[in-house]
Amino acid sequence: DQQVKQNSPSLSVQEGRISILNCDYTNSMFDYFLWYKKYPAEGPTFLISISSIKDKNEDGRFTVFLNKSAKHLSLHIVPSQPGDSAVYFCAARRTGGQNFVFGPGTRLSVLP
Amino acid sequence: DAGITQSPRHKVTETGTPVTLRCHQTENHRYMYWYRQDPGHGLRLIHYSYGVKDTDKGEVSDGYSVSRSKTEDFLLTLESATSSQTSVYFCAISEPGTRKDTQYFGPGTRLTVL
Repeated sequence: DQQVKQNSPSLSVQEGRISILNCDYTNSMFDYFLWYKKYPAEGPTFLISISSIKDKNEDGRFTVFLNKSAKHLSLHIVPSQPGDSAVYFCAARRTGGQNFVFGPGTRLSVLP
Repeated sequence: DAGITQSPRHKVTETGTPVTLRCHQTENHRYMYWYRQDPGHGLRLIHYSYGVKDTDKGEVSDGYSVSRSKTEDFLLTLESATSSQTSVYFCAISEPGTRKDTQYFGPGTRLTVL
C-alpha cells in the first residue's frame, strides 16, 4: 500500500505555461516533504522542500503548496521551460525519522 | 554537487551469480542508503546505514545484504541474483541536522539479470 501517491504518471504542458504536479500521502505522521527531479541516466536531484509548519514554500520558478488537512501537496512550475522535462518524485518523512518514502513519479514534458 | 560515485554503472549478470555494487562518498555523511527504481514504484528503500557497521533493513530488503566498514563506502550485495532484481540502483547520502535537510543521490547502477 503506497503511502505516497502521484496519481498522474505523465503530464504535458506548453512552454511558458504553469505545470502543476500533485502528490497525496496517507500517513499523518509525515511532517517533511520534498520534491526531486530526475533526468534520464542520472540520479534524482533535490528541488524544493516544505515542512508541515508551513503551507507554502517558494524558490524561483518553483512553489510547493501543502494542504495538511487533505494530505495533499503540489508543485507549481511557472513558467515551464523545456529543460523542466523530467520525472518528478514526491517524498515524505515522518516525525523523528531519517528515511524518506517516495512516490512513483510523474513524467513532465514541456513542449516548445 | 555532492561527491557520490557508484560502481559499476552498468552490469549484466546471470541468474544465480553473486553481485556487489559499491557506493563511495567524499562528503563524510553519516547516513547512506540503497534504493531501487522500478516503473510504477518510484524509489524503494532496500537498506540503509546510520554509521560504520550500523545498518538496517528498508522496505524491499529480501535477497539483499549490505556492509559498511568505512564511512565513505556502502556495499550492496545480491547473494544470488534473480531476474526480479533487474533494476536501476541508486545510492544516497544524508547528514541529519544540516541546513539542507535532504538526501543526495549518486548517478545510479543499471543491473540486468538474465
